[in-house]
Amino acid sequence: NAGVTQTPKFRVLKTGQSMTLLCAQDMNHEYMYWYRQDPGMGLRLIHYSVGEGTTAKGEVPDGYNVSRLKKQNFLLGLESAAPSQTSVYFCASRDYEQYFGPGTRLTVT
Amino acid sequence: ILNVEQSPQSLHVQEGDSTNFTCSFPSSNFYALHWYRWETAKSPKALFVMTLNGDEKKKGRISATLNTKEGYSYLYIKGSQPEDSATYLCAFNTNAGKSTFGDGTTLTVKP
Repeated sequence: NAGVTQTPKFRVLKTGQSMTLLCAQDMNHEYMYWYRQDPGMGLRLIHYSVGEGTTAKGEVPDGYNVSRLKKQNFLLGLESAAPSQTSVYFCASRDYEQYFGPGTRLTVT
Repeated sequence: ILNVEQSPQSLHVQEGDSTNFTCSFPSSNFYALHWYRWETAKSPKALFVMTLNGDEKKKGRISATLNTKEGYSYLYIKGSQPEDSATYLCAFNTNAGKSTFGDGTTLTVKP
């Protein structure tokens, strides 16, 4: 089992560019989550999904969109990146407890 | 926005000291309270999942208690070791699947 994987691991964007972060899990979990982690803060929930085809907003959804077309994948999109979106992004999937991916470090200049 | 608060924000102890942290959360829409351990440059790893009022869980020198009626959970570490140094996160989960994390308590154990 690979567990939870995230692609890419690092990325630098210019303001206004778009990109998609991919999260994949091979544990057949229904629930998947996207978080961002900023210095001095914990994990803040961006969007989450309780099953294939479903998505819901978390605490900080503005500027992000998500899709869960397949159960094993949860995509996070930035349509027009802003410097405020510079962060480390973690994906997780859950059955009983959450399993986290290794994170994606995104810098927006 | 759900308020999940952890205290203290950071803690420095000597090897061998016992310590505890607090996580407070809303008492409504409770489904589960998770504790995670997060080491620098790694991903968070689950310690405990607690669902019932009065739950007590233990793993080695680490234990946790849960009070859903008053909205708090304690994490205890007995005889802290340098390898216990990490950030400890709690996460409040609703029955709708939403998960809200506190900002964590960063523990540093000095040899």
